[in-house]
Amino acid sequence: AQSVAQPEDQVNVAEGNPLTVKCTYSVSGNPYLFWYVQYPNRGLQFLLKYITGDNLVKGSYGFEAEFNKSQTSFHLKKPSALVSDSALYFCAVRVYSSASKIIFGSGTRLSIRP
Amino acid sequence: IAGITQAPTSQILAAGRRMTLRCTQDMRHNAMYWYRQDLGLGLRLIHYSNTAGTTGKGEVPDGYSVSRANTDDFPLTLASAVPSQTSVYFCASSEGPAGGPKDEQFFGPGTRLTVL
Repeated sequence: AQSVAQPEDQVNVAEGNPLTVKCTYSVSGNPYLFWYVQYPNRGLQFLLKYITGDNLVKGSYGFEAEFNKSQTSFHLKKPSALVSDSALYFCAVRVYSSASKIIFGSGTRLSIRP
Repeated sequence: IAGITQAPTSQILAAGRRMTLRCTQDMRHNAMYWYRQDLGLGLRLIHYSNTAGTTGKGEVPDGYSVSRANTDDFPLTLASAVPSQTSVYFCASSEGPAGGPKDEQFFGPGTRLTVL
């Protein structure tokens, strides 16, 4: 079955340290991957996406994601975390059955402590 | 300000009642989506529309219906609400359909629905 998984419900990082939020996927065909962020009481906001090309994708707010085909992963990273990065992060993947659709992971809550 | 609006912001509804959640976008996006967000389950697609006049079923369509009479509006109707439909509902839109070059989704602020 085509799916996307975020193995960590919560990630805690000290401000200034690097952060990683993990995502793995299972799709038929070429993967087409996204990261979105949700701040409290808000809708999701697009961060970045991978279609093809460079394995390192740069996005909004200094975030980047690394596509790894052999590990079927698309981890979100940032070199130096800010307290304002604290939010809920969703990985998403395009799947194709009768039509193309985007499915979302269960989300990872990122908490950055001062 | 361009974007997506949803109404109401929140609603408490008795089981068995009919309810329509409204969604309007002013970005002239072709595709629109309805999701529900439940703790531990992330976002699940209910219905979508790739262009005005067409709709499709998502992962969890049962108990919900949609219509897309024009580009801007995409209402979601619960014909007879049940407690399991208690959730936060998000409407989203994208310039193109999922899988195309312009499929980044823009989300509304959400509607918190409680069915008692």
